[in-house]
Amino acid sequence: AQKITQTQPGMFVQEKEAVTLDCTYDTSDPSYGLFWYKQPSSGEMIFLIYQGSYDQQNATEGRYSLNFQKARKSANLVISASQLGDSAMYFCAMREFGAGGFKTIFGAGTRLFVKA
Amino acid sequence: DAGVTQSPTHLIKTRGQQVTLRCSPISGHKSVSWYQQVLGQGPQFIFQYYEKEERGRGNFPDRFSARQFPNYSSELNVNALLLGDSALYLCASSPTGTGTYEQYFGPGTRLTVT
Repeated sequence: AQKITQTQPGMFVQEKEAVTLDCTYDTSDPSYGLFWYKQPSSGEMIFLIYQGSYDQQNATEGRYSLNFQKARKSANLVISASQLGDSAMYFCAMREFGAGGFKTIFGAGTRLFVKA
Repeated sequence: DAGVTQSPTHLIKTRGQQVTLRCSPISGHKSVSWYQQVLGQGPQFIFQYYEKEERGRGNFPDRFSARQFPNYSSELNVNALLLGDSALYLCASSPTGTGTYEQYFGPGTRLTVT
């Protein structure tokens, strides 16, 4: 069954340092996508980065990179050079394309605090 | 271009009442999905509509229903409201129904049931 696990309820990082947010997943579908979203206190979900299960290289988007380890079923988000504006909730999510690709499941989230 | 819009922003309802939430997708997007996010949790999938047809449904009771209109906007209806329905309701639009990773969320409607 689909499952997303984020084991870090909260994380602290010093401004300008890098931070890794953990995410593990479980699926039996060979075709799936993994996502990371940022949710500031305003509530809107902001798409950060995407990794397809067949992608050979780890995804990168600016300061965000996804450390995809398929055999371990992990998809950790790395934020480089943290900024105060990065303080928010971060959600890992997955979509199984073989099952129709219509449903995205989310983890419980990690709250990131960036310290000045 | 305008993003996904939702209305109203906030509303307060009483137990047993009915509520309708509205969503307008990004221009050109044909798919709308609805999610419920209870405070302190990740969003949970409720429905997906594509080309005015329901394509997927999450584990929600029949009190929850939705529809999509010819202009691809969507409404989520919740009947016989319970206190546990208090949540942020998020709408997301996608260009197509399946096989795409693109999904853009609206600002949400915060529903409080008293």
